[in-house]
Amino acid sequence: EAGVTQFPSHSVIEKGQTVTLRCDPISGHDNLYWYRRVMGKEIKFLLHFVKESKQDESGMPNNRFLAERTGGTYSTLKVQPAELEDSGVYFCASSKSWGVEQYFGPGTRLTVT
Amino acid sequence: GENVEQHPSTLSVQEGDSAVIKCTYSDSASNYFPWYKQELGKRPQLIIDIRSNVGEKKDQRIAVTLNKTAKHFSLHITETQPEDSAVYFCAASGEAGTYKYIFGTGTRLKVLA
Repeated sequence: EAGVTQFPSHSVIEKGQTVTLRCDPISGHDNLYWYRRVMGKEIKFLLHFVKESKQDESGMPNNRFLAERTGGTYSTLKVQPAELEDSGVYFCASSKSWGVEQYFGPGTRLTVT
Repeated sequence: GENVEQHPSTLSVQEGDSAVIKCTYSDSASNYFPWYKQELGKRPQLIIDIRSNVGEKKDQRIAVTLNKTAKHFSLHITETQPEDSAVYFCAASGEAGTYKYIFGTGTRLKVLA
């Protein structure tokens, strides 16, 4: 079984630019999550998709962040325009259901300069 | 708000000794508690989990205990080995009706040979 994949693995952009992160969940996993870890702090929840629908967006920092999951397969997370405080590691995870393992991707390290 | 406190932030033990990592959660509705291990450069991976109707769970050298009254849960690793060196994250499920995890800030465990 292929794991959760994320692209790119690293991204360095300047403040004010736009970046789009991509996540491909495990096939058959309806639930897809985005998390972020900033500067050695906790891994913080951003949002949760069930298929193509946003189930919980309570962790999205502000309207500079836009997540989509068209067709209920892969997901993208766009940051526009990027700010310095957006730097961190963005993780995607997927699961079949609640209360079972959320499988994490390797993360995308975003650096905003 | 929901939060999980995790201690210590760093832990060094001699090979063969035991390691204990402690977490405290705030939301009494949390009922699922996974532990993730992240080795350097790799993705977080689930190593053990516990549900609120169980007080203790063991898997070979790893055990987790849960005290619902005190809202404490702990990870115990016995007979530590160099390959146990990693960052460990505890997490608690979010409020009822959500699938998100609330993570602790992580513990960097170093097992000295």
